[in-house]
Formats: sequence, C-alpha cells, structure tokens
Amino acid sequence: GDSVTQMEGPVTLSEEAFLTINCTYTATGYPSLFWYVQYPGEGLQLLLKATKADDKGSNKGFEATYRKETTSFHLEKGSVQVSDSAVYFCALSKGGTSYGKLTFGQGTILTVHP
Amino acid sequence: KAGVTQTPRYLIKTRGQQVTLSCSPISGHRSVSWYQQTPGQGLQFLFEYFSETQRNKGNFPGRFSGRQFSNSRSEMNVSTLELGDSALYLCASSWPGQAPGLAGGWGTDTQYFGPGTRLTVL
Repeated sequence: GDSVTQMEGPVTLSEEAFLTINCTYTATGYPSLFWYVQYPGEGLQLLLKATKADDKGSNKGFEATYRKETTSFHLEKGSVQVSDSAVYFCALSKGGTSYGKLTFGQGTILTVHP
Repeated sequence: KAGVTQTPRYLIKTRGQQVTLSCSPISGHRSVSWYQQTPGQGLQFLFEYFSETQRNKGNFPGRFSGRQFSNSRSEMNVSTLELGDSALYLCASSWPGQAPGLAGGWGTDTQYFGPGTRLTVL
C-alpha cells in the first residue's frame, strides 16, 4: 500500500539555521503531496502542497519540490525562527477510490532555540 | 470564512461507554474526513463522507462509525469504548475533487483540519 517516510526526529536547531526535513513516499500513480504543521494543542495546518512532478510548493519561507524520480518531497527553510517550533507531517493523497484519505508520515518534531 | 469546527474539544469517558463527536466543515465544502491521532500509531484515516455517503473507510473495527447530514456536517460515533481509543480525533473538510488530471494529481483537494476532539477513556 501507499506509505510516507519522514526523517527521524526530533530536530533541534538554533534560530536562523537552515532546516531540511526529509520525506519520501511509496505510491502508485500520481499522488498529490502535502506538508502540514501542528502546533501544541492544535489541529493540522496546511503548510504547502504540490500536485505534480517538479512542482514547488512554498509558504512562509518553507519550500518543497515534488521529485518523482526520487519519490521525495523534502521540506526546507533557509532561516528558522523560534516560532517554527512544531511537529511537521508529510502526507500524500491520491483521489479516485482513495479520495478523502491522506496517508501521513510519522511526523518530525522541530525545536528552535533562540 | 469560518474554519472547520469540532465539538466538544475535550471529552472524558469510561470503558464500555459510547461517544459521539461532531464536525462542521468549511462552508461550501462537501467532503469530510476523519482521522485518529495517537502517539503510537500516528495519524490514521478513519473514513470519508461526501453527500451523506461513506466513500472510503480505513482499517478500524466496526465500533467506529460515522454519518453525514444534508448540510455536510458530520458525526462520528465510537461504541463500547476501550482504553486504546484515547486519542485526538481530527476531522478535515475539502471541496470535492475534479476528474483525474493528465500529468498528475488525481483531482485530489486540499483538506483543512479542525482543532480536534481530545478523547480520554478511563
């Protein structure tokens, strides 16, 4: 079946450091890919998405490029802030008979220190 | 536009009881999906409803059920609660997808999540 694998956490960085969270997927067909972020005590917020190969999603300084050849969707940010501390989830969606189902990675906890 | 709302936000039940959780989607959204989030299993898909019909279901026992009303609001029910049902239950809404695309993206649409209902089973 479909699956998403994220790099193991937690990740601890100093403010203004460069962030990369790796995400790879296994799926047939042409999934859409997403990054969601969850702050303590809250639900998931969409961070960015890409719906086809070579698409780049971006939002709030975060970027991720849909690489079909490596089945990856790594999240990057050039300079993190303390306020970026949260749990980040990579996910895929396929539609069709799987419509409405997001398959998530295990989540990566990010802590940014001043 | 108001976001996805879920009620109640917190719930404490005892084993053997049943519980009903409610989700109101973003206005105009007709698809509602439910997820269970636990530290051990992560985020797992429960089911999805569209136009009052369950279109997709995850791998959960029959104790977990749901329904959707004509105004797209959705409820999920868990009967005969077990300790392992303690979790954050999230619902998400989306506008229904289009036909499959050519180069990718099978008409999937972005899901917008509510704040969740924290269920504790004692």
